[in-house]
Amino acid sequence: QKEVEQDPGPLSVPEGAIVSLNCTYSNSAFQYFMWYRQYSRKGPELLMYTYSSGNKEDGRFTAQVDKSSKYISLFIRDSQPSDSATYLCAMRTSTGGGNKLTFGTGTQLKVEL
Amino acid sequence: GAVVSQHPSRVICKSGTSVKIECRSLDFQATTMFWYRQFPKQSLMLMATSNEGSKATYEQGVEKDKFLINHASLTLSTLTVTSAHPEDSSFYICSAHRAGKNYGYTFGSGTRLTVV
Repeated sequence: QKEVEQDPGPLSVPEGAIVSLNCTYSNSAFQYFMWYRQYSRKGPELLMYTYSSGNKEDGRFTAQVDKSSKYISLFIRDSQPSDSATYLCAMRTSTGGGNKLTFGTGTQLKVEL
Repeated sequence: GAVVSQHPSRVICKSGTSVKIECRSLDFQATTMFWYRQFPKQSLMLMATSNEGSKATYEQGVEKDKFLINHASLTLSTLTVTSAHPEDSSFYICSAHRAGKNYGYTFGSGTRLTVV
């Protein structure tokens, strides 16, 4: 079993839809949670980050962490064609592990006109 | 914002030759650099972690003599693929981590290596 599970998709939605992306994880020591967006043949860019459980909102994006369920989500409101990309969840422990990030497999999202 | 420059963006080399990929943090000091490999439609696979001035730590299954990593300064790390073979063809990405920043991981734009 992988430490972080993420549905690879692809996920296709119409423009304006609300998108829900999710990851589950098994390591209860993970404390820092991030979402990255990666366009084709480019490096990932940080979208959202949260510490421990809770919600965080930034514009059209909302990140949620439920540590009791070991489940994190990213919501995209009013999705745009420019949101079409691969979304990767990533997480790390607070100490040790060499500051390594553990990534999900990524979910490919396509927002259609 | 933090910027990481990775070069070259694309390289084609002959089988048996070596290729060097550079990763520079332009406006911050990166105490730790991570090197990843990514296959099409798959996630990032961590290859090694390098700290400035010390030897890199390689993940299980990654040949350290084949993938040479040097982190000579706080702003530069290099990955050299030695005696490249077609199976080494992949997308390589570096990530620079700023000390003390829990979310401070900035990625380079990646290098597409094709070995012919």
